[in-house]
Amino acid sequence: SQKIEQNSEALNIQEGKTATLTCNYTNYSPAYLQWYRQDPGRGPVFLLLIRENEKEKRKERLKVTFDTTLKQSLFHITASQPADSATYLCALQAGYSSASKIIFGSGTRLSIRP
Amino acid sequence: DGGITQSPKYLFRKEGQNVTLSCEQNLNHDAMYWYRQDPGQGLRLIYYSQIVNDFQKGDIAEGYSVSREKKESFPLTVTSAQKNPTAFYLCASSMVTPTATNEKLFFGSGTQLSVL
Repeated sequence: SQKIEQNSEALNIQEGKTATLTCNYTNYSPAYLQWYRQDPGRGPVFLLLIRENEKEKRKERLKVTFDTTLKQSLFHITASQPADSATYLCALQAGYSSASKIIFGSGTRLSIRP
Repeated sequence: DGGITQSPKYLFRKEGQNVTLSCEQNLNHDAMYWYRQDPGQGLRLIYYSQIVNDFQKGDIAEGYSVSREKKESFPLTVTSAQKNPTAFYLCASSMVTPTATNEKLFFGSGTQLSVL
C-alpha cells in the first residue's frame, strides 16, 4: 500500500542544536516533496519544495534533502530557537499529473527548549 | 489582500443535519483541496478539484460532498452520513504549472466542526 510516514511523533531538543526530521514514503514516485509548518489551531504554512532531480535545498536556517533511492526526505533546522517549536508536515504529489492528489504525513511535533 | 478564507471558524452540527463549510480564494488558483485533521494527526484528503466543474475523491470522501461552480469557491458539505464529523477542516489552493504539477499549497485558517 502507499504510505508517507514521518518517523518521530515528537522531537524535543536544546536551543542552538540542529533538529532533523525524517519523512519516508513507499509505493510513490513523487515529482516533488514539500515541507510545511503548522502552529496549533492554524493552517499549515509552506516552507520548502524539493524536486526529484534536486538533492538538497536551503532557505536561511532550513535545509531539505531528497533521496529518491531511499525514498526519504530529511528536514534540518540549524541553530534552532524556541520560536521554531511547531508541528512540521511533509507532503508529496502522488504522481506527475496535475490531477494527482497531494498527501501529507502525520507530522512531527518539534519542541525547542531554552 | 490576497488569500484563502474559510468560514465559519467554529461550527456545531446536530445529529442528522447537513452542514456546509465555506472556502473562498482570490489568488486565481486553479486547484483547491479539502483536508480533515483529527487531534494530533496529519491531514487526510477529502476532495480536490483541478478545474471548475470537476473534482475528484480523496482518501476519505465518504459522507462528504463538494461543488466547484466558480474558480474562487469550493464549499464542503458534511452530510448526515458522516458519523464521526468532529475534526478540524482545512481548505487549500494551489497554482497548476505549465508542466502540470501543483505548486505549494496555501491554506485557510480552518473550521473546527463539533457535534452537539
